[in-house]
Amino acid sequence: GAGVSQSPSNKVTEKGKDVELRCDPISGHTALYWYRQRLGQGLEFLIYFQGNSAPDKSGLPSDRFSAERTGESVSTLTIQRTQQEDSAVYLCASSPTPRANEKLFFGSGTQLSVL
Amino acid sequence: AQSVTQLDSHVSVSEGTPVLLRCNYSSSYSPSLFWYVQHPNKGLQLLLKYTSAATLVKGINGFEAEFKKSETSFHLTKPSAHMSDAAEYFCVVRGLGTSYDKVIFGPGTSLSVIP
Repeated sequence: GAGVSQSPSNKVTEKGKDVELRCDPISGHTALYWYRQRLGQGLEFLIYFQGNSAPDKSGLPSDRFSAERTGESVSTLTIQRTQQEDSAVYLCASSPTPRANEKLFFGSGTQLSVL
Repeated sequence: AQSVTQLDSHVSVSEGTPVLLRCNYSSSYSPSLFWYVQHPNKGLQLLLKYTSAATLVKGINGFEAEFKKSETSFHLTKPSAHMSDAAEYFCVVRGLGTSYDKVIFGPGTSLSVIP
């Protein structure tokens, strides 16, 4: 597709269940970011992938959160044993290179609701 | 380390009056700076970006921002507010770290436009 694609668009789950969120970046984009946006809040950095380099995981809030990316393709964000405070919109973004002057292209997000 | 401060969590203006949304940043490197807008239930859209060229940057929808290195500021302005400008605005700093790229979002400023 032409843009960053995220799936599912909405996910409702029960507390304690695991969820997996998917992000398809724009083809050829080497940099990929995951952000979390709680209701009425700003964007909270979670994790950053650049090519085949080790990811920057400094924003992951706990060890229940993990993410993978194979090469420069799809990324998955996994949340284990979900808690109600995990409810948020999870946004994925990509950019062609890690150059600072590149803008980010955002997906439309996954709305996660933990009951 | 990089950080972004948006001094006002909420700004309210009358239609037709000027808009000023303030942003201050800190960065160990020469950063690129961006303003993104997020309308209710919509994705993030790039308004404008500064990348070490002209210090006065013009963006879409009549917005502009001026980079002032001495003040470490990148305030967003518009001469005359329109109802459609009501949204959440994020100031973003992007710069190369020692071994990774970091994109930091400010906490956001909610703009209300009164008829």
